[in-house]
Amino acid sequence: TQLLEQSPQFLSIQEGENLTVYCNSSSVFSSLQWYRQEPGEGPVLLVTVVTGGEVKKLKRLTFQFGDARKDSSLHITAAQPGDTGLYLCAGPKRVGGATNKLIFGTGTLLAVQP
Amino acid sequence: DSGVTQTPKHLITATGQRVTLRCSPRSGDLSVYWYQQSLDQGLQFLIQYYNGEERAKGNILERFSAQQFPDLHSELNLSSLELGDSALYFCASRAGGSDTGELFFGEGSRLTVL
Repeated sequence: TQLLEQSPQFLSIQEGENLTVYCNSSSVFSSLQWYRQEPGEGPVLLVTVVTGGEVKKLKRLTFQFGDARKDSSLHITAAQPGDTGLYLCAGPKRVGGATNKLIFGTGTLLAVQP
Repeated sequence: DSGVTQTPKHLITATGQRVTLRCSPRSGDLSVYWYQQSLDQGLQFLIQYYNGEERAKGNILERFSAQQFPDLHSELNLSSLELGDSALYFCASRAGGSDTGELFFGEGSRLTVL
């Protein structure tokens, strides 16, 4: 059972379109991160959200953390081919004491066609 | 370039064999994480070390082991390899033990078990 479910799993759109990717959980997270992974490379951090209801903007990318801190979304405006990649949300899960492990969502594979 | 170095980049071996994957974290980073990425399972957390000590354990098989050395580099040992162990293995590092700090990933080691 995946703790962080992402939707959609795959998305193929034309350049210039808008899109939203969702990251959902039944658990509360103290924070969530979004990473992007391009072919042949490791994931790269895009943003960290830590407060329920928080909205962060990174150029054409808008990230939102749900009020209850159980979900997050990533909205891309006017997508470009350079946005193509695997988008992963991630959050800390307590494994005992004060120790957390960072778990990743199921991923959304985005392809932006020119 | 994330500053995290993984070797080898590609590895092809046979079932039943043993391999060692090596990771050099970013200079000064004390935390090292190992992840396994496959098409059907996504990015799965295996194990975390902090300054030489095991900090958190994920779904790491008993056939797998890891350690972090005094110079902070880490090795992941995979033994009695099975076809299903074929995957991308990522190492990531982080400056401290914070839940919200950025994880810096290497480019991964692609393991193919034939």
